[in-house]
Amino acid sequence: RKEVEQDPGPFNVPEGATVAFNCTYSNSASQSFFWYRQDCRKEPKLLMSVYSSGNEDGRFTAQLNRASQYISLLIRDSKLSDSATYLCVVNEFGDDKIIFGKGTRLHILP
Amino acid sequence: SQTIHQWPATLVQPVGSPLSLECTVEGTSNPNLYWYRQAAGRGLQLLFYSVGIGQISSEVPQNLSASRPQDRQFILSSKKLLLSDSGFYLCAWTPMKGGLYEQYFGPGTRLTVT
Repeated sequence: RKEVEQDPGPFNVPEGATVAFNCTYSNSASQSFFWYRQDCRKEPKLLMSVYSSGNEDGRFTAQLNRASQYISLLIRDSKLSDSATYLCVVNEFGDDKIIFGKGTRLHILP
Repeated sequence: SQTIHQWPATLVQPVGSPLSLECTVEGTSNPNLYWYRQAAGRGLQLLFYSVGIGQISSEVPQNLSASRPQDRQFILSSKKLLLSDSGFYLCAWTPMKGGLYEQYFGPGTRLTVT
């Protein structure tokens, strides 16, 4: 079973809509979770950390469901500039190896 | 503030030639350092990581090697490049140990093996 799984997409969403995608992880000992954004031909950049109680940063909301072992990212009022690949990142306390999902491609349509 | 540098930005090399990519981090000490490769349209593949000088963990058997001669310097090398080595090579660092902290990436090197 893959350690971190994401729907590759693409998600084609009209501008202004709300979009959400999930990421599942297999290691129940995972302790830290992040969402990264990667633009075409660029390096990944940290979007937000995911806290146990869920957290929000402007139009972005991240949530963690430990029982079902997934994290989610919700984008409200989507903008054309949100078009990118979103990478889910998971790692375990004490483990220096960080696991990336393969990413979900998002296209915001004008 | 911390910054991470990678060079060169792009590289075109013939099959069988050697490779040396360098990554340096400024503004921090004793970081964890990582090398990833991303093939066109694919996800990130962890190649090597290092928790300290001279300490290298290899994730995927291949014709690449890594070295960490100084605390903030991480080098990726190959003696003979293969066509399959083409890709986007990314160096990253984390400020602390134990995997609880976010990872920051350099701008990457785009390698084309011809």
